[in-house]
Amino acid sequence: KNQVEQSPQSLIILEGKNCTLQCNYTVSPFSNLRWYKQDTGRGPVSLTIMTFSENTKSNGRYTATLDADTKQSSLHITASQLSDSASYICVVLDHYNTDKLIFGTGTRLQVFP
Amino acid sequence: DVKVTQSSRYLVKRTGEKVFLECVQDMDHENMFWYRQDPGLGLRLIYFSYDVKMKEKGDIPEGYSVSREKKERFSLILESASTNQTSMYLCASSSEGLAGPHGGDTQYFGPGTRLTVL
Repeated sequence: KNQVEQSPQSLIILEGKNCTLQCNYTVSPFSNLRWYKQDTGRGPVSLTIMTFSENTKSNGRYTATLDADTKQSSLHITASQLSDSASYICVVLDHYNTDKLIFGTGTRLQVFP
Repeated sequence: DVKVTQSSRYLVKRTGEKVFLECVQDMDHENMFWYRQDPGLGLRLIYFSYDVKMKEKGDIPEGYSVSREKKERFSLILESASTNQTSMYLCASSSEGLAGPHGGDTQYFGPGTRLTVL
């Protein structure tokens, strides 16, 4: 079982709508949680990095939240644009055990006009 | 802007060939990483390096080796390519540790090399 699970696997929304992507993790304790955006055929690009003590962090229209008690994070995208079509990857740093980043398999978002 | 470049976007090799994937970063970063990305799986760490001539095995190092002779360059070597090494290979770099009181450093990724082994 993957220690970082994301849902949904894929999502289709219309331009201008909001959406929320989910990330559940079992890594405990953890050091930080990251969200990346990966365009098709490109490398991932960092959106946010949150420590275990942070609840929310924003980057433009992207807002990440973290609930360390329930081990859940979400990425909220506001007023979606066509350029938001990409895969969004949740990553947890298992600093205390393996000192490695553990990657989720991503949510594939498609925004249609 | 941080730039991480990879020598090839697409590569086709035959089984048994020795394959070199090159990665160069221009921001004087200490840390460099090689990952592979396959459908339905998260990125998996092959090798990483925290300094010149230093290397550490990641989660799936079998069948791979690396070389870091200069700070800006990190090479991934497939000694004898096999079909199960067909994948997207991603290089990344970061200036400091991935942990820290402010969340650690951002990893910057290259565009990836899609390798096909026939």
